[in-house]
Amino acid sequence: DAKTTQPNSMESNEEEPVHLPCNHSTISGTDYIHWYRQLPSQGPEYVIHGLTSNVNNRMASLAIAEDRKSSTLILHRATLRDAAVYYCILRDTSGTSGSRLTFGEGTQLTVNP
Amino acid sequence: AAGVIQSPRHLIKEKRETATLKCYPIPRHDTVYWYQQGPGQDPQFLISFYEKMQSDKGSIPDRFSAQQFSDYHSELNMSSLELGDSALYFCASSPRSGGGIRETQYFGPGTRLLVL
Repeated sequence: DAKTTQPNSMESNEEEPVHLPCNHSTISGTDYIHWYRQLPSQGPEYVIHGLTSNVNNRMASLAIAEDRKSSTLILHRATLRDAAVYYCILRDTSGTSGSRLTFGEGTQLTVNP
Repeated sequence: AAGVIQSPRHLIKEKRETATLKCYPIPRHDTVYWYQQGPGQDPQFLISFYEKMQSDKGSIPDRFSAQQFSDYHSELNMSSLELGDSALYFCASSPRSGGGIRETQYFGPGTRLLVL
C-alpha cells in the first residue's frame, strides 16, 4: 500500500477551522483517499473520502491537490468533541489488495476551549 | 441507527487460556473485519470475511482463528494467550464485498482483552 505522512499532532481552538494535512507522494491512480478518526476509547469512525475532486459532507471537507500527492481534511468549526486521532488512509480500488484499512501514524488533534 | 455490537466489552484471561470474541455486524452488512490495537499503537488489520468466506488475511497469529456464521456474526477465537495479546480488538462491518473498495467500514466499540 502507498504510504501516507501526517504530522504527529496539531492544536486548534474551539469554533475555529482546522486543516489537517496528509502527504501521499507515491499515490497510484486507483487509490482513493480516506479519512477516519478515533475518539478516545472508541473505535475508528469514517469521516470522508475522495479520488480527485474536493468533497464535502456534514462532518468535514476534503481538499485534494491537483497532482494528488497531498490532501487536506478541513473541519470548518472545531468542537471539543473533534479531539481525536485522525488517520489518512489510501485504499486501492484495483481489487487485488482487499478492503482492509491500513492505519499509519495519524495526527492527534487537540481542541482548546 | 443500529451499530456494530461486540461482546464481551471487557475480558480478563490468564496466560495460556483461550478467549472468544464475538461481533454482530450492522443488519444487511455482509462483510466483517477484525483489527487489533495494542496500547499506544494504531489499529492493525487481522482478518476479514465476506459471505462466510475469508476474504483477506493480515497479521493474525496462527494461535488465532476466526469465522463468520450464516447470520453474518463473526467470532475471533484466541488460544494459548500471551501477555502481548493484551489489546483492544475492534470489529468492523461494511455493506459490500471485498471487491467494493469504496465501502465504508463501521467499527464497533471494541473488546478490551487483558492477559495476566
